[in-house]
Amino acid sequence: DAGVTQSPTHLIKTRGQHVTLRCSPISGHKSVSWYQQVLGQGPQFIFQYYEKEERGRGNFPDRFSARQFPNYSSELNVNALLLGDSALYLCASSFVGASNQPQHFGDGTRLSIL
Amino acid sequence: DAKTTQPPSMDCAEGRAANLPCNHSTISGNEYVYWYRQIHSQGPQYIIHGLKNNETNEMASLIITEDRKSSTLILPHATLRDTAVYYCIVRGNTPLVFGKGTRLSVIA
Repeated sequence: DAGVTQSPTHLIKTRGQHVTLRCSPISGHKSVSWYQQVLGQGPQFIFQYYEKEERGRGNFPDRFSARQFPNYSSELNVNALLLGDSALYLCASSFVGASNQPQHFGDGTRLSIL
Repeated sequence: DAKTTQPPSMDCAEGRAANLPCNHSTISGNEYVYWYRQIHSQGPQYIIHGLKNNETNEMASLIITEDRKSSTLILPHATLRDTAVYYCIVRGNTPLVFGKGTRLSVIA
């Protein structure tokens, strides 16, 4: 079975632009979470979605938004890109998002801002 | 902030058991202990999780102390491919909160 897939794998943008990152969860998983990982640090939580509704939001500005589609895939959008948004963006999926269910991660989208 | 404390780095000889410790003295009764690892340039890989009983799967064993204030991840026969950053995470009905993890180097 396919794992979590993310696209694109790499992306280069300039300051002020916007970006859309995509995630397809493992088949049967209904919960998707997004994390940001800057170089040298652990991943930091951005959003969680379950059944197309936002279930959690981390400490990120309103420039970051996300949504989940009826097929449970998800998009992360970032507007007005800053140099500090350069990072690895990770998507994780789980069946329903409960605490006893592990999240499974994709290999991420590496975003570079020039 | 992460609720766990891990040593920043450890070495292990190839073929030997790797024992990675984690302290989580403020863990609550309904919180699970999760272990993930991250190999360079890849997403975190789920290893194992447990509530209070010891757990074993094809990758590793998780030993949780009776008071649940600490745990140990055991890789029984470490290989060079086990070189990675290992994250111990305490999780309730919340997102995963990653600390700095332990950088495990498996040496030939």
